[in-house]
Amino acid sequence: DVKVTQSSRYLVKRTGEKVFLECVQDMDHENMFWYRQDPGLGLRLIYFSYDVKMKEKGDIPEGYSVSREKKERFSLILESASTNQTSMYLCASSSHRVRLYEQYFGPGTRLTVT
Amino acid sequence: GQQLNQSPQSMFIQEGEDVSMNCTSSSIFNTWLWYKQDPGEGPVLLIALYKAGELTSNGRLTAQFGITRKDSFLNISASIPSDVGIYFCAGQNYGGSQGNLIFGKGTKLSVKP
Repeated sequence: DVKVTQSSRYLVKRTGEKVFLECVQDMDHENMFWYRQDPGLGLRLIYFSYDVKMKEKGDIPEGYSVSREKKERFSLILESASTNQTSMYLCASSSHRVRLYEQYFGPGTRLTVT
Repeated sequence: GQQLNQSPQSMFIQEGEDVSMNCTSSSIFNTWLWYKQDPGEGPVLLIALYKAGELTSNGRLTAQFGITRKDSFLNISASIPSDVGIYFCAGQNYGGSQGNLIFGKGTKLSVKP
């Protein structure tokens, strides 16, 4: 079974803090993705990565950065958290080689910025 | 960006009923996926479809890739209480970024009061 884990299920941070969200997958997947999910807006892609040290902007990258130093780990960074970044953050991974479009999600991190 | 139209937005089920939902796109898709999300959890992949006309089952769930390549539907037969949740369709269209998916906004399944 594919396993995608996220470092925290719930997180509360203050405005202006630097926030790190970590994601780890154990299936040797090349592709990793960060989404945020908000009521009425569905899933929106923040950043994705097709390989170590590679990153591509998604639909809403503003206010976020990412890091992929190892194949299994993809980090999302909020440089200076703001209240409009309060959301559910979902990490996903998929393979280059088989079933390219089947993304497997982690349990999510519900971030509250006060 | 491009979006998928998923309907209905919400529906109520009574145990034992069959449920149907669908997803449409204005452009041609080469892959359709269906996910279920329980409250406070991440989406779980239910069914993946790769060929136009393909009909695939997973237990009581059946999904089809539309012949026009612009739609897909998901049926749940003989629903049970644990079917409650949000169901998302997702797809990959021709010319889209490799590996990236477009998601519908979900169909929320609730139990009839």
